[in-house]
Amino acid sequence: SQQGEEDPQALSIQEGENATMNCSYKTSINNLQWYRQNSGRGLVHLILIRSNEREKHSGRLRVTLDTSKKSSSLLITASRAADTASYFCATCNDYKLSFGAGTTVTVRA
Amino acid sequence: DVKVTQSSRYLVKRTGEKVFLECVQDMDHENMFWYRQDPGLGLRLIYFSYDVKMKEKGDIPEGYSVSREKKERFSLILESASTNQTSMYLCASSSAGQARNTEAFFGQGTRLTVV
Repeated sequence: SQQGEEDPQALSIQEGENATMNCSYKTSINNLQWYRQNSGRGLVHLILIRSNEREKHSGRLRVTLDTSKKSSSLLITASRAADTASYFCATCNDYKLSFGAGTTVTVRA
Repeated sequence: DVKVTQSSRYLVKRTGEKVFLECVQDMDHENMFWYRQDPGLGLRLIYFSYDVKMKEKGDIPEGYSVSREKKERFSLILESASTNQTSMYLCASSSAGQARNTEAFFGQGTRLTVV
């Protein structure tokens, strides 16, 4: 079974709106990472948050981590058409890096 | 520019064939991974390796094996290809660091079709 589960499976928003997606996981982690995959392309790393951190920012991205609830969220502010992609959370448990099924985000112009 | 290179972009193999997928990274990374990606299922971990000659089963190792004889190369082997192994295969590598895993870099993928 997969470690991370993203919610929602799909999200459609208007350009300029914020997009929020969530990730729940099952075991203890060293860190949690978020990746983006544009259609037909490889995965690109967005942000890493360590297990002892609660919030992290990178540009228009904000990630939170709640280890007591085993959950994380990714917020993309002021979305653009170029943010249309699939987003995956990945949990690092020792050397094992496990991904979820992803959230597909569509940003409408 | 960091690079993870997978030997083939597209492969078509026959049922029962032994298939080798090769992955090479040029970043001196300790960790390497093989995933398969199927629609609606995201990325599922097949095998990973955190050092030369070390390998660990992921979540779906059945029907696969791996080899890591050199640090930069991680091979995925399908012992006897079956049609349910038709998929996109992704290789990745990462530096261990203090957190065991830092940012992972991915290859462009190999789309394998088994007929």
